[in-house]
Amino acid sequence: GIQVEQSPPDLILQEGANSTLRCNFSDSVNNLQWFHQNPWGQLINLFYIPSGTKQNGRLSATTVATERYSLLYISSSQTTDSGVYFCAVAAYSGAGSYQLTFGKGTKLSVIP
Amino acid sequence: DTAVSQTPKYLVTQMGNDKSIKCEQNLGHDTMYWYKQDSKKFLKIMFSYNNKELIINETVPNRFSPKSPDKAHLNLHINSLELGDSAVYFCASSQGDQGRAFFGQGTRLTVV
Repeated sequence: GIQVEQSPPDLILQEGANSTLRCNFSDSVNNLQWFHQNPWGQLINLFYIPSGTKQNGRLSATTVATERYSLLYISSSQTTDSGVYFCAVAAYSGAGSYQLTFGKGTKLSVIP
Repeated sequence: DTAVSQTPKYLVTQMGNDKSIKCEQNLGHDTMYWYKQDSKKFLKIMFSYNNKELIINETVPNRFSPKSPDKAHLNLHINSLELGDSAVYFCASSQGDQGRAFFGQGTRLTVV
């Protein structure tokens, strides 16, 4: 099956700093999504981004499907950005449907 | 007005018991899922339902069975619970199997 690798696995930032999270995937995908799991465990869909660049406030994401990677940018980080960021890709499962496969996540800690 | 809601949020039970987790979505989506998140935060798909038909059934024990009474609901029944079933279970929905996925708040199952 498709492999999804995220880096770095852990990241500690001072409040106000910027960061870039990376997601590499091993095969062609139909779409890519970024999620944030907050410290209370809730999974929030940040971006649905099969290709190109999207921005939402201090967050932006870029997917280069031909080179099989996506980047999530966090600018002017805040303590509320802490949590785990997951990349997930939808690829054909071979069972007549597409399946969302998750990476192992990047754990971000923003300290005041 | 929660888009995807699951109950209960916490479930503590003894080995050998049978339990159910309920999930409802009010997004009008036609595809619903169950994911399992293990102690290392890895998310893996267990089942997906599209228009009340099971379209993905990963290699999970047959003690786990999804039941969908209608398009807005996908419940998870677990028989003869084992210690290794302890995890957080997430329900999710999307429009089609390639659509943007939205997750419930998770159910933390602890088997003692």
